[in-house]
Amino acid sequence: EAGVTQFPSHSVIEKGQTVTLRCDPISGHDNLYWYRRVMGKEIKFLLHFVKESKQDESGMPNNRFLAERTGGTYSTLKVQPAELEDSGVYFCASSQEYDGYTFGSGTRLTVV
Amino acid sequence: EDQVTQSPEALRLQEGESSSLNCSYTVSGLRGLFWYRQDPGKGPEFLFTLYSAGEEKEKERLKATLTKKESFLHITAPKPEDSATYLCAVRPTGGFKTIFGAGTRLFVKA
Repeated sequence: EAGVTQFPSHSVIEKGQTVTLRCDPISGHDNLYWYRRVMGKEIKFLLHFVKESKQDESGMPNNRFLAERTGGTYSTLKVQPAELEDSGVYFCASSQEYDGYTFGSGTRLTVV
Repeated sequence: EDQVTQSPEALRLQEGESSSLNCSYTVSGLRGLFWYRQDPGKGPEFLFTLYSAGEEKEKERLKATLTKKESFLHITAPKPEDSATYLCAVRPTGGFKTIFGAGTRLFVKA
């Protein structure tokens, strides 16, 4: 079974630019999540999709972040415009209903 | 406020020296408590889910236990390949959002 795939693995962008992260979950997993870890802090929840619907987006920091999940398959997370404090590792995960998550390897975003 | 605190922050063991990692949690209602292992440059890898106080789960040299306020991850006769960061996380009732602790970095020396 293929795991959760994220790309790019690394991205370095300038402040004010736009970056789009992509996540391909495990096939058949309706639940898809975005989390991030900034500067040595805990992994923090961003949002949760069930199929193509946003179930909980309470963790999204502000309206510069936009997540979509087209047709209930892959998901994208766009940051526009990026700020320095957006730097960190962005993780995507997917799950069956009550299981633990399967995480991707993450995208390390550096805003300079 | 829902919260997860892990201790110690770092733990250094000799190969074969058993020990335990602690996870204290505060949550209004617990839907599940999770343990993950994370290696450098990778995403967390799921280990266990515990649902109710008194429950125990085992996998190779790892054993997770749960009480109403904390969970322990016991490592028996660890090997160098057990070196990693171990993350505890709780999922409150009413949703799928999971709250992670800061982790315990485990170093096992041969």
